[in-house]
Amino acid sequence: GDSVTQMEGPVTLSEEAFLTINCTYTATGYPSLFWYVQYPGEGLQLLLKATKADDKGSNKGFEATYRKETTSFHLEKGSVQVSDSAVYFCARTTSGTYKYIFGTGTRLKVLA
Amino acid sequence: GAVVSQHPSRVICKSGTSVKIECRSLDFQATTMFWYRQFPKQSLMLMATSNEGSKATYEQGVEKDKFLINHASLTLSTLTVTSAHPEDSSFYICSATGPRGGEQYFGPGTRLTVT
Repeated sequence: GDSVTQMEGPVTLSEEAFLTINCTYTATGYPSLFWYVQYPGEGLQLLLKATKADDKGSNKGFEATYRKETTSFHLEKGSVQVSDSAVYFCARTTSGTYKYIFGTGTRLKVLA
Repeated sequence: GAVVSQHPSRVICKSGTSVKIECRSLDFQATTMFWYRQFPKQSLMLMATSNEGSKATYEQGVEKDKFLINHASLTLSTLTVTSAHPEDSSFYICSATGPRGGEQYFGPGTRLTVT
């Protein structure tokens, strides 16, 4: 069935370090893929999305490329800031419905 | 555009009482709304899907008589937690899609604490 696998956290980085958070999905159908960010005590905010193979989503310095050959949608940022500390969720649409499937979330902590 | 609000943002209630949470799409018609539950430091768990004017579809394991969902208009869905107990304490998040489906837009969440 449809699923999303996300790397375990927490991830702790120093400010200005390079960030990668891995996300892979099951190759069922033609899902849209998303990264959401959740700050403490808040709801989800869409960070970026990609709707088809080879699309690159980008926002606020974050990027992710929809890789069909590796069924991956890894989140990257070249230089993280303390304000990027949050939980990041990878998600995909499900086949034939409007439902989303979320990964387990990866907590990022950036130290000054 | 595509803003979803929730009310209240926080609520504390006594065990045995009922609590209603509202989810509104402010600038679009939400033909489908979703209700999620999130436990501390965990991912979102889909509870149910509601379509305007029809009964909600609940995910396996979610008690429909305990979590009453009403989607009476294209801009409003409500979740009522009936006879709440401390184990119902959680963060409840709604989302909505427009007439063409696709991307979900998320509300800010409601933190429910049952004492």
